[in-house]
Amino acid sequence: DTGVSQNPRHKITKRGQNVTFRCDPISEHNRLYWYRQTLGQGPEFLTYFQNEAQLEKSRLLSDRFSAERPKGSFSTLEIQRTEQGDSAMYLCASSLVDYDKQYFGPGTRLTVT
Amino acid sequence: AQKITQTQPGMFVQEKEAVTLDCTYDTSDPSYGLFWYKQPSSGEMIFLIYQGSYDQQNATEGRYSLNFQKARKSANLVISASQLGDSAMYFCAMRENEDNFNKFYFGSGTKLNVKP
Repeated sequence: DTGVSQNPRHKITKRGQNVTFRCDPISEHNRLYWYRQTLGQGPEFLTYFQNEAQLEKSRLLSDRFSAERPKGSFSTLEIQRTEQGDSAMYLCASSLVDYDKQYFGPGTRLTVT
Repeated sequence: AQKITQTQPGMFVQEKEAVTLDCTYDTSDPSYGLFWYKQPSSGEMIFLIYQGSYDQQNATEGRYSLNFQKARKSANLVISASQLGDSAMYFCAMRENEDNFNKFYFGSGTKLNVKP
């Protein structure tokens, strides 16, 4: 059973640059979630998909963030014009249904200098 | 108001003893779910246990049990017979429905240290 994978694992970028992260969920899972976690805090929900449809986006998510899941399989999260406050761990998770347990990937750690 | 409150930033427990990690929640949704996750120093989030708001019995998964007190809006995690490998961050989380969409909230976590 292949788990959730995320690429890259680490990303260092300069302020103002755009970055894109990829998440590959467990193959039969139709729900995919993105979270952000800063040091010493719990994950903060960003958005989630059922198949290719983006069902919800956190009000905390600025317009610089966009996520896609074009064929209902992998997903990408793009951050435009990065700011130092975007530095965090970005976690992806997937599940069969949304009241079931979510399987998390290892995360992508973003550092904006 | 905080959706999930974990009031214990850090806890110590002696190996082989039981420990309770506190979690209170706030929601007006009658149908919600409560989760506990473990995050070791390696960083991956590991699902431990789930409790639905309509479940009559407290959830149990091996050494983990959830002490669900609905009227008090608390969902404490009990770990029995602690092991050194239980040392990690523990997060309480909630799923609620708002405007016909499910939303997920995590607490700030409790760092558990198991002493030999």
